[in-house]
Amino acid sequence: DTAVSQTPKYLVTQMGNDKSIKCEQNLGHDTMYWYKQDSKKFLKIMFSYNNKELIINETVPNRFSPKSPDKAHLNLHINSLELGDSAVYFCASSQGQGRNTGELFFGEGSRLTVL
Amino acid sequence: GENVEQHPSTLSVQEGDSAVIKCTYSDSASNYFPWYKQELGKRPQLIIDIRSNVGEKKDQRIAVTLNKTAKHFSLHITETQPEDSAVYFCAARGSTLGRLYFGRGTQLTVWP
Repeated sequence: DTAVSQTPKYLVTQMGNDKSIKCEQNLGHDTMYWYKQDSKKFLKIMFSYNNKELIINETVPNRFSPKSPDKAHLNLHINSLELGDSAVYFCASSQGQGRNTGELFFGEGSRLTVL
Repeated sequence: GENVEQHPSTLSVQEGDSAVIKCTYSDSASNYFPWYKQELGKRPQLIIDIRSNVGEKKDQRIAVTLNKTAKHFSLHITETQPEDSAVYFCAARGSTLGRLYFGRGTQLTVWP
């Protein structure tokens, strides 16, 4: 019954590896996001998709590639992982877009540790 | 784009006291100001929000005030309890693409 679910919850991997995090929402929302939360707790938006269309693409290395197969799913693939990629990655969703965007619902987060 | 400043970064209060967290924003066209609470190891969750056509909103022990002229908004928690201990984030919805800009968070600790 989880509204926004993401997997895996924990990821421990070596530098240089490639990894993916998956996200699904069952709220019927049409906008999904990826946020990165660093060790200082700062929540930084990375990407936003509305109905499978990329609408926000912050200054993120192109090693990060989001993919939205449909409006209920938004996955994040990371190539050539670096130590600085260690963080908690939150998926989120909301209804509407632009100035009519509703409440953000966050997933439980995926803690990525790069060794 | 929007810039949201949040203060203080840490706040310690005794149980039963009040806590106030303040935020300022830069985009006068911002129209929506939510507050999120994040407990340790958990996801951020919305606790209260206010829209630009309202000056104050209250929900039991929490309240939010908005001063559009000064471009600042505040979270007030009265009769704090240990379970209020968490990181609190303010945010503002900017005029560009409706994205939310978050403050850097306030770690609130309520001592029994």
